[in-house]
Amino acid sequence: EVQLVESGGDLVKPGGSLRLSCGVAGFTFSNAWMSWVRQAPGKGLEWVGRIKSKSDGGTIDYAAPVKGRFTISRDDSKNMLYLQMNGLKTEDTAVYYCTTAGLGNWGQGTLVTVSS
Amino acid sequence: DVVMTQSPLSLPVTLGQPASISCRSSQSLVHSDGNNYLSWFHQRPGQSPRRLIYRVSNRDSGVPDRFSGSGSGTDFTLKISRVEAEDVGVYYCMQGTHWPFTFGGGTKVEIK
Repeated sequence: EVQLVESGGDLVKPGGSLRLSCGVAGFTFSNAWMSWVRQAPGKGLEWVGRIKSKSDGGTIDYAAPVKGRFTISRDDSKNMLYLQMNGLKTEDTAVYYCTTAGLGNWGQGTLVTVSS
Repeated sequence: DVVMTQSPLSLPVTLGQPASISCRSSQSLVHSDGNNYLSWFHQRPGQSPRRLIYRVSNRDSGVPDRFSGSGSGTDFTLKISRVEAEDVGVYYCMQGTHWPFTFGGGTKVEIK
């Protein structure tokens, strides 16, 4: 069974930093392209970015609102996906979901609140 | 960015009756490989989204066959042949042809 478990969400002040983690199980993580998707409270879904497998080049793509502030990384030895968020803004407040690249599998999400 | 426009925004339905949601893209979703990368998702209140359909018309494992998807290019449709109580929630379309991938704004399905 595929499992994606996010952690690390918290309340942080504007300008602050936070790192989200996603532990995965049930599939060969090293071969998987992975993504982060977020959902602001009461709003729709928004891509944050994706990371390809190392065998496919490991390319990382970001959505414009987070480019230059957020960094996606992976540790294939630990089956872990990460989202490092710097320079957080109030508009980054959202539930952040870890997903497989085609969005066929989702975690339960972790809430990031950016507020003073 | 490709804009995905869903209609209607809200869809009151009667149990056992059909329902249909439209999704239009601002650009053709035909990929260079010939596929249309259009997916549909369902999100119940308080839950993570769940993918129902990928590449226009392919149902994910465990998705009831009352759900079907169709379309090509810029116009796509999700149909529910007979709505059941568990189908309430918000439905999203998403294009995966052009980066950044983008979602429609959502259609809220509720029981009359």
